[in-house]
Amino acid sequence: QVTLRESGPALVKPTQTLTLTCTFSGFSLSTSGMCVSWIRQPPGKALEWLALIDWDDDKYYSTSLKTRLTISKDTSKNQVVLTMTNMDPVDTATYYCARIYGGPGGGHFDYWGQGTLVTVSS
Amino acid sequence: SYELTQPLSVSVALGQTARITCGGNNIGSKNVHWYQQKPGQAPVLVIYRDSNRPSGIPERFSGSNSGNTATLTISRAQAGDEADYYCQVWDSSTALYVFGTGTKVTVL
Repeated sequence: QVTLRESGPALVKPTQTLTLTCTFSGFSLSTSGMCVSWIRQPPGKALEWLALIDWDDDKYYSTSLKTRLTISKDTSKNQVVLTMTNMDPVDTATYYCARIYGGPGGGHFDYWGQGTLVTVSS
Repeated sequence: SYELTQPLSVSVALGQTARITCGGNNIGSKNVHWYQQKPGQAPVLVIYRDSNRPSGIPERFSGSNSGNTATLTISRAQAGDEADYYCQVWDSSTALYVFGTGTKVTVL
């Protein structure tokens, strides 16, 4: 059974760095073709893809947020971490992690975490 | 950057057919995936690679993709189909995932 769960602070101040952790089970990120991605959704708005890391430690980032994002993995802990620097109120959103099996570009988001709401406010 | 355009809303009578479009430049050459999102919940995959249904998704959900438009079709619409629907592709030229603008489906 595949599960993913996001964790991190519910509230961050402007200019701070956000660190989110995705803890997953039911699959291994060392398996060829396996990837974990981060996606966010501001309240009442559409989904926005942020970043992806694959089994080979290759990383892909949203063009508009590339300078602020870092994605990493700890295969032994079954975790993927996303950091986002210089947080702003417009970054207020629900942040999801999701699995892709089939490599970057070759698959779809077949399993999602429940999401974690992050509010940016002083 | 690659963009996917969806109608803001689609209304369908109970038991009738809803069609949700997703427009993109030559989208027919890409694999399109569709997600259903109900209020307060995470998205759920309903169609992958244009027309394939994951296990557990009713046969009432189907998809097609050609030219500049991909379409998600919901047949015999039920009240439980009310949700936001998003299309998604991988843009290989930029190595980016792209989501559509989202469509709110209302069952009357």
